[in-house]
Amino acid sequence: KAGVTQTPRYLIKTRGQQVTLSCSPISGHRSVSWYQQTPGQGLQFLFEYFSETQRNKGNFPGRFSGRQFSNSRSEMNVSTLELGDSALYLCASSLEPPGELNGYTFGSGTRLTVV
Amino acid sequence: GDSVTQMEGPVTLSEEAFLTINCTYTATGYPSLFWYVQYPGEGLQLLLKATKADDKGSNKGFEATYRKETTSFHLEKGSVQVSDSAVYFCALMNTGNQFYFGTGTSLTVIP
Repeated sequence: KAGVTQTPRYLIKTRGQQVTLSCSPISGHRSVSWYQQTPGQGLQFLFEYFSETQRNKGNFPGRFSGRQFSNSRSEMNVSTLELGDSALYLCASSLEPPGELNGYTFGSGTRLTVV
Repeated sequence: GDSVTQMEGPVTLSEEAFLTINCTYTATGYPSLFWYVQYPGEGLQLLLKATKADDKGSNKGFEATYRKETTSFHLEKGSVQVSDSAVYFCALMNTGNQFYFGTGTSLTVIP
C-alpha cells in the first residue's frame, strides 16, 4: 500500500513569505502529526490532527498552523518565514490514537530552505 | 516534562562489531518506547518498539528492552553491517499522542 506522501520534497522560499506543505496519510489513517527537524533543535512536535480536529499542539509560535480535511489529508502553513524556519518537516500518520499501539508511519519529509 | 537522552555520536564501527546505543528517558506514568532509524534524505522508519516494562522489541537483528527500574531502552545488535549506517533516534510516547525524540546517534559501519 502507498505510504505517507509529502509534497513538495524540496522548497526554497524568501524570508517574509508564507508556505504551505501537504501530507497525504496512508489510506484509512485518520491521525496525522507534524514534526520539525533541525540540526540544532532535533525533532520537535508541531501538532496532531484527528478527524479534522487539532488535538494537540507543540510549543511553536502562531505563525505555524495546520488543518486536516475530511479525507484525512493535512496541510501545514508557515507565515512570515524566518531563516530559522529552514528545516525538514515530517508528517506521520496512524490509524487512530493512541498511536503508540497502532504505530505511526512517517513520510520522507519536505525540506524547506528560507533564504 | 517528558524527555529522552541518548548517547552522543558519531559512532564508527567495523563490520560485524557489536553495537550498543544508550537511551534513557524521563516520563510520568507508563510511556511507550521506540527506536527509529533515518537514512540520508529519508524520513523516519520504525525499527522496534516496546509498550510496557520488561517488553523486548526486536527487528532485523536489533533489540531493546524496556527497563523501568533504570528508565532505559538501550539499542543493541550483535553484528552490524555496512547497510546499518544511519542515524538512530530513541523516542517515547506518553499521553498526548506526541513523540519525544532523543537527539539522534549517527552510526557509520566500515567494511
